[in-house]
Formats: sequence, structure tokens, C-alpha cells
Amino acid sequence: GIQVEQSPPDLILQEGANSTLRCNFSDSVNNLQWFHQNPWGQLINLFYIPSGTKQNGRLSATTVATERYSLLYISSSQTTDSGVYFCAVYNNQGGKLIFGQGTELSVKP
Amino acid sequence: DVKVTQSSRYLVKRTGEKVFLECVQDMDHENMFWYRQDPGLGLRLIYFSYDVKMKEKGDIPEGYSVSREKKERFSLILESASTNQTSMYLCASSKWGEQYFGPGTRLTVT
Repeated sequence: GIQVEQSPPDLILQEGANSTLRCNFSDSVNNLQWFHQNPWGQLINLFYIPSGTKQNGRLSATTVATERYSLLYISSSQTTDSGVYFCAVYNNQGGKLIFGQGTELSVKP
Repeated sequence: DVKVTQSSRYLVKRTGEKVFLECVQDMDHENMFWYRQDPGLGLRLIYFSYDVKMKEKGDIPEGYSVSREKKERFSLILESASTNQTSMYLCASSKWGEQYFGPGTRLTVT
């Protein structure tokens, strides 16, 4: 099956710094989502992005499907950005999401 | 906005009890999913449903069953709870692709 790898596994930032999180996937996919899991455990949708670039405030994402990777950019990080960021892909056999292991981000004041 | 709700945020049950976890979505989505999340193992799909009264096994269905009698509601049933089912349970729904998650239920089986 499809493998999804995220890097780095952990990241510590000072407030105000920028960061890039990476998601590699091993096969062609129909689509891709980025989530933020908050400290209470809820998965918050960030981007639904099959290809190209999308922006939402301080966050943006780029997916290059032909090269099987996606990037999540966080600019001017805030302490509320802390949590785990997941990348998940849809395989070509239907709507099943396959999750990466996540990047745990900690933003220090 | 899509809203997915789950019946409990925290639940404590005893070994052998029958446990029901309820999930409701208000966006008329056809597809609904149940996942569990465990440290070191990530999110794993238990069951999903593409329509009322329809169910499909996910990656780890053993020890679970599901029910979908109405489009908006998808229930996860632990027939006889065991300690290895202590976990975070997440429900999701989707129409064409993008999945939306509920707040999760932290279940502890003692």
C-alpha cells in the first residue's frame, strides 16, 4: 500500500520563526489533506490540495503530485500553532485516507 | 460550516461492557468513517460507510461493529470492551473527498 512519510518528526521553534513541513508519498494519489491536531485531540482541516499552492493566512501548502510530495509552510509562528501536523493522502482505490506519522511542532514564547 | 459531533469527549468503561460511540454530521455527507489513534501507531481506520445500512471493514475491524440506520448518524459498537481498546476514537465524514473530523472520544477500559 501507499506509504506516507513526514519530516521532521519533531520541531521546536521560537515564536515568530518560519518553518516548512514535508510530506512524501510512495504512489500516485487522488488528493491530499493537511491537518492540525490541537491539544484536545481534534483534527482541524488546514488544506485539501491535490496540486498547486493554496494559502490561508500565515499558512500555505504546495503539492507537486508528479514528484509525490507536499509542503506546509508556517510563517511568523505563534504558540497556538503548537500541536501535531498530519498529512494524509487518498489512494486511487477510493476514499480511504492514509495518514503519515505526523510532525510535532512546539512554538516557544 | 461542516459539523461533526461525537457523543462523549471522555468515557470510562469496564472490561466486558458493551460500548456505543455515536457520531452525527449535519452536512448530508454520504461517507462516514471511524478511526482510532494510538501513540506510535498513528490513525488507523476501523470501519467506514458509503451509504445508509452499508458498511465496509477498514484496517482493524476486529472487536468492533458499526451501525448506520440514518444518513447523519454512524455508531461504533464495542461488543465486549477490552483493555486493548483503550484509545482515542475519531469519527469523520465526507461527500466527495475532503474528510471532516469530530472532536474525538477518549475511551478508557478498566
